[in-house]
Amino acid sequence: AQSVTQLDSQVPVFEEAPVELRCNYSSSVSVYLFWYVQYPNQGLQLLLKYLSGSTLVKGINGFEAEFNKSQTSFHLRKPSVHISDTAEYFCAVSGAGGTSYGKLTFGQGTILTVHP
Amino acid sequence: DAMVIQNPRYQVTQFGKPVTLSCSQTLNHNVMYWYQQKSSQAPKLLFHYYDKDFNNEADTPDNFQSRRPNTSFCFLDIRSPGLGDAAMYLCATSKDPLRPQHFGDGTRLSIL
Repeated sequence: AQSVTQLDSQVPVFEEAPVELRCNYSSSVSVYLFWYVQYPNQGLQLLLKYLSGSTLVKGINGFEAEFNKSQTSFHLRKPSVHISDTAEYFCAVSGAGGTSYGKLTFGQGTILTVHP
Repeated sequence: DAMVIQNPRYQVTQFGKPVTLSCSQTLNHNVMYWYQQKSSQAPKLLFHYYDKDFNNEADTPDNFQSRRPNTSFCFLDIRSPGLGDAAMYLCATSKDPLRPQHFGDGTRLSIL
């Protein structure tokens, strides 16, 4: 079984400030990790992914995330946010084996609101 | 150049009246998924097809069925929609189960 916990349901921040959206996961098998962004009334868009290799991954729109295996975390960061980053962000885990093989489990989402 | 296309974007149906949602893809991906996303909640996997192999999640109600007549198309059928089935329904595809999934823009289903 696998699960994802996003520690903040809402994160308000001012434009050009840095932001971190926190994600912790649990799984009995190796995992692949993803961050998706969802704008209102749209589907999910992949921001970045960790499959293997370097634990620091860079994605689109200036976002990056760091995989920390010992802390089972995959926090998303951006050094300077824009108004257009206002959206809901989902952390997701996919099992690399067992019954969760290839199945995405999502966290509950974090709504990022960027204020001018 | 949309790659995963869902039709319609908005669907209204009556309580108990069967409804079909459509998804098509131009990516030639092997795997197609259907998710249900209720307001302010995470997407929840209903089922997926790996090629022609259908995989149902254990907690997906029998009211929900799916068809995949060919690689490009996949349908979600709700046989007797209840008020609790009002949600956004998301279709996604991936080349294989371990690759990232590509999502359509969803169909928002309302039940009268």
